[in-house]
Amino acid sequence: AQSVSQHNHHVILSEAASLELGCNYSYGGTVNLFWYVQYPGQHLQLLLKYFSGDPLVKGIKGFEAEFIKSKFSFNLRKPSVQWSDTAEYFCAVIPASGGSYIPTFGRGTSLIVHP
Amino acid sequence: KAGVTQTPRYLIKTRGQQVTLSCSPISGHRSVSWYQQTPGQGLQFLFEYFSETQRNKGNFPGRFSGRQFSNSRSEMNVSTLELGDSALYLCASSARDTLRETQYFGPGTRLLVL
Repeated sequence: AQSVSQHNHHVILSEAASLELGCNYSYGGTVNLFWYVQYPGQHLQLLLKYFSGDPLVKGIKGFEAEFIKSKFSFNLRKPSVQWSDTAEYFCAVIPASGGSYIPTFGRGTSLIVHP
Repeated sequence: KAGVTQTPRYLIKTRGQQVTLSCSPISGHRSVSWYQQTPGQGLQFLFEYFSETQRNKGNFPGRFSGRQFSNSRSEMNVSTLELGDSALYLCASSARDTLRETQYFGPGTRLLVL
């Protein structure tokens, strides 16, 4: 079974600081990768996703993520965070082969951005 | 377009009871997935339904079951409730029959088992 590890459980930054949230997964086959965000009081929503092609993917609100296959990683980045980025961030993996498309989510990273 | 709706939003039950949660997907979406979210285990996949058929199932006991109706609305049932079933239950819908698409999540039903 696959697993997803998000290294940082809590991150506190000041506005304009750069952000990188780590996500590593374990699965031997091809995977589809996602980052979801949950803003306070709102539903989970998709930030960005990777299926194939360019390993650097851009999402909404200036976020991007890079898939490094050799490291089984899909880290989320933003060059300059804003107070409105305060939220919980979840990395998710779904196998793209093997016939069992069971999504696995990381435990989440809580980001607090101070104005 | 209306988003994914879930009813009820909050529920309190006692051990041994059963509960049914409802999810209405975005109009036109045919795939509905259910998740359990707890502080200890995070977000865990329960099952996915497409065209009234369960397509994928997570690692949960048989007390957790679901179904989907012809209008794509879905229900999830938990029988013989245990304290550990206290959680936020999320429903997500996507357009087609695969979990590889973008999923749109509802607000969740918060279940408390006493």
